[in-house]
Amino acid sequence: GQNIDQPTEMTATEGAIVQINCTYQTSGFNGLFWYQQHAGEAPTFLSYNVLDGLEEKGRFSSFLSRSKGYSYLLLKELQMKDSASYLCAVKVSNDLLIWGAGTKLIIKP
Amino acid sequence: IAGITQAPTSQILAAGRRMTLRCTQDMRHNAMYWYRQDLGLGLRLIHYSNTAGTTGKGEVPDGYSVSRANTDDFPLTLASAVPSQTSVYFCASSDSVAGGNEQFFGPGTRLTVL
Repeated sequence: GQNIDQPTEMTATEGAIVQINCTYQTSGFNGLFWYQQHAGEAPTFLSYNVLDGLEEKGRFSSFLSRSKGYSYLLLKELQMKDSASYLCAVKVSNDLLIWGAGTKLIIKP
Repeated sequence: IAGITQAPTSQILAAGRRMTLRCTQDMRHNAMYWYRQDLGLGLRLIHYSNTAGTTGKGEVPDGYSVSRANTDDFPLTLASAVPSQTSVYFCASSDSVAGGNEQFFGPGTRLTVL
């Protein structure tokens, strides 16, 4: 079967750092995506990891461990605009993604 | 247009009616997808198309049909709507041939079936 787990909701303080975890068990693996989705809007691409290790892109970083079936998204210097849902998705074949239910991140001043 | 568009933005539909959700992209992407998103659940794939003229079933295809007559358009049809099809529907596209991988999403259609 296919399974992707993320925490349902997290709360963090403006200016702080937060780590959102994602664990997966899938029949295939061709990479892992993180997307951001603001309420009422479409998901937008944040990062893609296919090899183990850390990918850094400005305030956002994403880590992957294929042997552990584990990824995390690290957000630094949190801003109020970072309040959104963060979706983890695994590419299981050439064109197909399996999605987690998403983590709603609430930023408090 | 730039990117991917969907129509209508929202719709209230009586059960049993037929409805087509439209999706158009101008990025010349080979692959297109239809997802539904329900509260507490992840995006679930309904149907997809790897290239014009071909379609495939996703995780939740029952009650839906698609066609891909050309590269740009990928309409989703509900033949006889039921209340369980109340959801937000997202169309997406990607250039899987070039290996970019990223899926680009349309703004979504909020459908309510009564």
